[in-house]
Amino acid sequence: EAGVAQSPRYKIIEKRQSVAFWCNPISGHATLYWYQQILGQGPKLLIQFQNNGVVDDSQLPKDRFSAERLKGVDSTLKIQPAKLEDSAVYLCASSWPQDTQYFGPGTRLTVL
Amino acid sequence: GENVEQHPSTLSVQEGDSAVIKCTYSDSASNYFPWYKQELGKRPQLIIDIRSNVGEKKDQRIAVTLNKTAKHFSLHITETQPEDSAVYFCAASRGYSSASKIIFGSGTRLSIRP
Repeated sequence: EAGVAQSPRYKIIEKRQSVAFWCNPISGHATLYWYQQILGQGPKLLIQFQNNGVVDDSQLPKDRFSAERLKGVDSTLKIQPAKLEDSAVYLCASSWPQDTQYFGPGTRLTVL
Repeated sequence: GENVEQHPSTLSVQEGDSAVIKCTYSDSASNYFPWYKQELGKRPQLIIDIRSNVGEKKDQRIAVTLNKTAKHFSLHITETQPEDSAVYFCAASRGYSSASKIIFGSGTRLSIRP
């Protein structure tokens, strides 16, 4: 079984620039999550999708972050404009329908 | 709001000894408690989980116990080995509820001394 795929693996941008991350969940997994993990901390949920609908985005900074999951499969997370404090690893995870989550390798974002 | 507290934040044990990590949760409706291991620069990997209908679960050298009354659960690693060195995260969620989310603890950095 293929795992959760993410790209890019690393991204370096300057503050105020835009960036987008892509996630392809495990085939058949209806639930998709985006997490932000700052160095030395646990993952913090940004947004949770059930198929292509948003279940929880209460911790998503909506003034600069957006996410979509068209067709209920792949998802993209965008930051526009980026701030220094956005430097973190962005993890995507999927599960069916809730319960055990499988994580992707993450995208390490550095904002200069 | 919902919260999961994890202790200790760092733990160093002699190889071969046992390690115990403890978590408490605030949402009494939580019924699913996974534990993840994250090695440096890698993704979190599920190592064991427990549901609220059981009090203990064991898988080789790893065991998890749950006390729903006290709202706490613990990870026990016996006969620790160097490859057990990693950051461990506990988490709690309402499981199958589509309106629930999983809350992670802040992590425990476990170091195994040779």
